[in-house]
Order: sequence, then structure tokens, then C-alpha cells
Amino acid sequence: DIQMTQSPSSMSASLGDRVTITCQASQDIGNNLIWFQQKPGKSPRRMIYYATNLANGVPSRFSGSRSGSDYSLTIISLESEDMADYHCLQYKQYPLTFGSGTKLEIK
Amino acid sequence: EVQLVETGGGLVQPGKSLKLTCATSGFTFSTAWMHWVRQSPEKRLEWIARIKDKSNNYATDYVESVKGRFTISRDDSKSSVYLQMNSLKEEDTATYYCTLTTRYNWFAYWGQGTLVTVSS
Repeated sequence: DIQMTQSPSSMSASLGDRVTITCQASQDIGNNLIWFQQKPGKSPRRMIYYATNLANGVPSRFSGSRSGSDYSLTIISLESEDMADYHCLQYKQYPLTFGSGTKLEIK
Repeated sequence: EVQLVETGGGLVQPGKSLKLTCATSGFTFSTAWMHWVRQSPEKRLEWIARIKDKSNNYATDYVESVKGRFTISRDDSKSSVYLQMNSLKEEDTATYYCTLTTRYNWFAYWGQGTLVTVSS
């Protein structure tokens, strides 16, 4: 199975900060990676697909990038509504596997 | 509008069975691949099963931890997907979500989830 190592597990940042969350894949997944945002009591919301594509309705302050086997979700200027859990998912190979999640808090 | 509504969750004893239903609308169900994903109390997401469409012979796939215990199925006439869960264990306690993929749209739509608690 492909392991997705996500970091950090939690972080705290101030409004306006640049925030980056990373997932590292244990095998080649190409660009087959999705980033989800999840707020308390809600279902996951797709933010980025195919590693770098912004999903419909997602603010442009969010972006996805790839460097080799490392995948990053970046928020260029943190807003209060961005407080949430973030998860990555590889969909290159079954079983599909998620990262362990990142809890993003606002200072 | 795409809608997915999961039902069937609840409190069940270890070793018992439960069947979840995901009723859908707002998209062409018959050609979509349907998935179940669960989220543990620790908030970790885990993909657990997928069923393809008729043109792909309704092929199924499972995560190792549920193989032989869980069965995913679908009824295209009812636009619904099911998860039969047998021999439940305490570690199966989670919120279960259904979601879908199509050729051009992967995991954009999710249900609200249904909570399954396995406890004596």
C-alpha cells in the first residue's frame, strides 16, 4: 500500500500568515493527489485535485504544488475561516490512502 | 444538485452486523464509481471500499482491514449504494461517508455521514 506521510499534525498560525502543509508519498503517485478541508461536524470538502488544480469555489489563496514525492497545500494569507482539518488523499492506486491529517488553528 | 444521504448507522455489539445505505440524486448514478470512506473518532480518514459501474462489471475493491467482513453493493434502479458490515469490531467505530468518482470528477461530493458505534 502507498503510505502518505502528512506533516505537521497540528499547527497554529496568525491571520495573514503563509501556511504550508505537506504530504509525502511512499511510492510514485504522479499528480493523483487531492487535498480536503474539513470543518467540525462537516464532511470533507475537496480543495485541490490532481495535485495543483483548484476545485470549484475554492478561494485563490489556496494552492497546491508538487516537488518529486512531496505534495504541498499552501494558504498564502490565512483567514479565520481557514481554521479546519486538512487531509491529503492519493488516488493513484488501490487501496486509496489518506494522510494522517493536519489540524490548523488560528493564533 | 448532487445529494448523497447515508442512513443505517447506530450502536451495535461486537460480532454483529449492520447495513448502511447511501441514497443519491442529482447525477448519473449508473456510470459513477461509488466509495465508502470512514472517519475514526481520532478524525483519521480511511478509504474502505469501492464499486465500479456496470460497464466495469461492478468490480469491487476493499482495504485489507475489512476484506471478508464488509461488502459493497449497488442498485442502479434506486441510485443507491450499500455497505453490509459483518463481524463488527470495536475498531470499526467511525462515521461512514459515501462519495463518488466519475471520469472527470473525483471525490467532489460527499454525504453527511452516518455514525457507527461498535460497543458492548
